[in-house]
Amino acid sequence: DGGITQSPKYLFRKEGQNVTLSCEQNLNHDAMYWYRQDPGQGLRLIYYSQIVNDFQKGDIAEGYSVSREKKESFPLTVTSAQKNPTAFYLCASSPGTSVFISTDTQYFGPGTRLTVL
Amino acid sequence: DQQVKQNSPSLSVQEGRISILNCDYTNSMFDYFLWYKKYPAEGPTFLISISSIKDKNEDGRFTVFLNKSAKHLSLHIVPSQPGDSAVYFCAAIGSGNTGKLIFGQGTTLQVKP
Repeated sequence: DGGITQSPKYLFRKEGQNVTLSCEQNLNHDAMYWYRQDPGQGLRLIYYSQIVNDFQKGDIAEGYSVSREKKESFPLTVTSAQKNPTAFYLCASSPGTSVFISTDTQYFGPGTRLTVL
Repeated sequence: DQQVKQNSPSLSVQEGRISILNCDYTNSMFDYFLWYKKYPAEGPTFLISISSIKDKNEDGRFTVFLNKSAKHLSLHIVPSQPGDSAVYFCAAIGSGNTGKLIFGQGTTLQVKP
């Protein structure tokens, strides 16, 4: 079954600790993305990667880090520098990044809810 | 600066009637728009999209209309069903060839039986 998996579904962290959220896809997609969702707000882009070993900052990258060592995996680390990390985190992937290809729809994982205690 | 706006946080309609969800954008360089549906504690799922070269795209009960001059798009669901109750996000592909999606704040649709 092809898809995107995120783990864990719920994650608790003590203030000051780093935590890594997992995102794996077996869709053979080149591009992967991390978003966070806060109540009453749209999804905001944290980081994205168009190809292995390359990634770019999104709109709210401060306090986060990522890596893209494999095509299938795009883990997100929430560092202690992130001032307000409690949120719902969504990973997505898409086949490519050309706006002229209709298959550029992004497909989302089920999300991870991170709560900082 | 919110480039994609959904000004109605919530909408309630009766089963069988039409649901109209609205979305406005400010950047005239956007040329591809998408609607996503999201249930609580789940990731968004793609619903329907439209290219700026069209003004309408239809898929079953879902139709998206685009008015480029007004920088406005809308999603029509007809007839509405209770299972349509969810949060609906409008999104635009950002300018430049990055595939970045710019999302609106979302509108919560409740369809009453």
